[in-house]
Amino acid sequence: AQKITQTQPGMFVQEKEAVTLDCTYDTSDPSYGLFWYKQPSSGEMIFLIYQGSYDQQNATEGRYSLNFQKARKSANLVISASQLGDSAMYFCAMRERGSTLGRLYFGRGTQLTVWP
Amino acid sequence: DTEVTQTPKHLVMGMTNKKSLKCEQHMGHRAMYWYKQKAKKPPELMFVYSYEKLSINESVPSRFSPECPNSSLLNLHLHALQPEDSALYLCASSQLQGAITDTQYFGPGTRLTVL
Repeated sequence: AQKITQTQPGMFVQEKEAVTLDCTYDTSDPSYGLFWYKQPSSGEMIFLIYQGSYDQQNATEGRYSLNFQKARKSANLVISASQLGDSAMYFCAMRERGSTLGRLYFGRGTQLTVWP
Repeated sequence: DTEVTQTPKHLVMGMTNKKSLKCEQHMGHRAMYWYKQKAKKPPELMFVYSYEKLSINESVPSRFSPECPNSSLLNLHLHALQPEDSALYLCASSQLQGAITDTQYFGPGTRLTVL
């Protein structure tokens, strides 16, 4: 079974609008961390935001927030006020406490296109 | 400073060539990773070094040979590659605190083309 599922291969949003990128995960480990990365066409994977399984509040980093719904095993990324520079591939990833040496499980990614 | 550097940015090599990819970090991280990424796919883990020792080898063919000369440097030696090895090769590092908060920071990658 896939540990991370991103069901949206592509998303389109107009500049200045908000967009939500979906991510669901599958784990039986009670302790885990969830990460979102952005990958522009240049290739670099840029860390955006982190949410721990025991965190009570949703994580926020500037225009990025993580809508964490533990019971539904979902960790959606919300980007507010989209900018043209947000156009990129976005990957959701998970690290379980029981995983070996920082192994990250990645989803297939969502290609976000922001149009003017 | 969360910078991981990789050289070269682009590499074109023939199937008989020997080349090396280099990765460097100065964040005091004790774990370093090599990933391979094909277009429109997620990164695939190849190797993990922990405290300069190889701790994970994801059944990678022997034509890829990793090396960790010190805690800041990670190399990937390439020999007798195949065209299907053409991909983006990403290096990453992390604190290796053993906590779920341990974040991997990636370099810009090397785009490899094997002719």
